[in-house]
Amino acid sequence: DGGITQSPKYLFRKEGQNVTLSCEQNLNHDAMYWYRQDPGQGLRLIYYSQIVNDFQKGDIAEGYSVSREKKESFPLTVTSAQKNPTAFYLCASSIPGGPETQYFGPGTRLLVL
Amino acid sequence: RKEVEQDPGPFNVPEGATVAFNCTYSNSASQSFFWYRQDCRKEPKLLMSVYSSGNEDGRFTAQLNRASQYISLLIRDSKLSDSATYLCVVRGDYKLSFGAGTTVTVRA
Repeated sequence: DGGITQSPKYLFRKEGQNVTLSCEQNLNHDAMYWYRQDPGQGLRLIYYSQIVNDFQKGDIAEGYSVSREKKESFPLTVTSAQKNPTAFYLCASSIPGGPETQYFGPGTRLLVL
Repeated sequence: RKEVEQDPGPFNVPEGATVAFNCTYSNSASQSFFWYRQDCRKEPKLLMSVYSSGNEDGRFTAQLNRASQYISLLIRDSKLSDSATYLCVVRGDYKLSFGAGTTVTVRA
């Protein structure tokens, strides 16, 4: 079955630690996205990539980094510079040509110890 | 001003009732509109696109008013399984903008 997988489901971060969230898709989608969701707020775009080896900052990129070395994979690193990382992180992908319908992974909940 | 604003609810309705809610968007150049459904602690999933002439999908009816920049969703004959948060989503040039969601709870 085609879909998007994210791992881990829960992740704990210690102060000053970088952590990496995994996102893999086998939908053959060119575009991939990372969002953050906080209680009572809409999804906010962190980074997006429309093609391999290219990515762009979204609305809240500070404290995050990404890479897009393979079409299937778009990992997100939450760096120590992100002072309020506790949130629900969602990865999504869409067909080429635009962000029309996006398909989401199951998400990763990041908590700070 | 937020790009997409929704009444957070919650809307608490009995089974079989009709419930309707709106969202407003700020960018008049927005190109496409959607409703997504998100269950508690799960990922959002596309419920339906919203077309200029309005459209139905079973018990769900979506309307778009470009002049007033609002979108509506109406759910008829509510089922317990309709309990969820409904996200209003608007497409801009390169991204989707999400509302914070309207929570609907259908009670037996």
